[in-house]
Amino acid sequence: DIQMTQSPSSLSASVGDRLTITCQASQDIDNCLNWYQQKPGKAPKLLIYDASNLETGVPSRFSGSGSGTDFTFTISSLQPEDFATYYCQQYDYVPRTFGGGTKVEIK
Amino acid sequence: QVQLQEAGPGLVKPSETLSLTCNVSGDSISSYYWSWIRQPPGKGLEWIGYIHYSGTTNYNPSLKSRATISVDTSKNQASLKVTSVTAADTAVYYCARNGDRFDYWGQGTLVIVSS
Repeated sequence: DIQMTQSPSSLSASVGDRLTITCQASQDIDNCLNWYQQKPGKAPKLLIYDASNLETGVPSRFSGSGSGTDFTFTISSLQPEDFATYYCQQYDYVPRTFGGGTKVEIK
Repeated sequence: QVQLQEAGPGLVKPSETLSLTCNVSGDSISSYYWSWIRQPPGKGLEWIGYIHYSGTTNYNPSLKSRATISVDTSKNQASLKVTSVTAADTAVYYCARNGDRFDYWGQGTLVIVSS
């Protein structure tokens, strides 16, 4: 299985901060990576697909980059509604696998 | 608007079979792949498998062949069965559209395995 290693596992940040999360794949997955946001008690929501494409309706403060094994997810200016857990997910191989998640909390 | 709704028993006894359905509205089940994903309480996400209406399936080997996904095109519905459940199968179970990027999700249903 492809292992997806996300870091950090948690972080504290303030409204307006720039936030970066990294995701490393255990082998080359080209650009076959998605990013999701999950709030407590809710299903995950797709934010970024194919490593860098913004899903329709998602604010432009969210962005993604990377290819191969190393990927980055960025929120340019953290908003109150962005406090949540974020997951990366690869789809180059079966089984599809997710990172362990990054919980973003209010400082 | 595409909507997915999971349904099924919230409590299953150990060694029995977990059975869930995913009702799809606003889209045809024949148009996409459909996945099942689960999340144990307080933990991360685990992909269970996917199906295409043509019958193509793919499963996570971690479930050791205990999972079966099917579709009923007449009901526009996907289904999941997991046999021989243990406490480790306690989770919120989600259905989602697609087999690669999961763009629509159901709200999830909690299944507890306990006697």
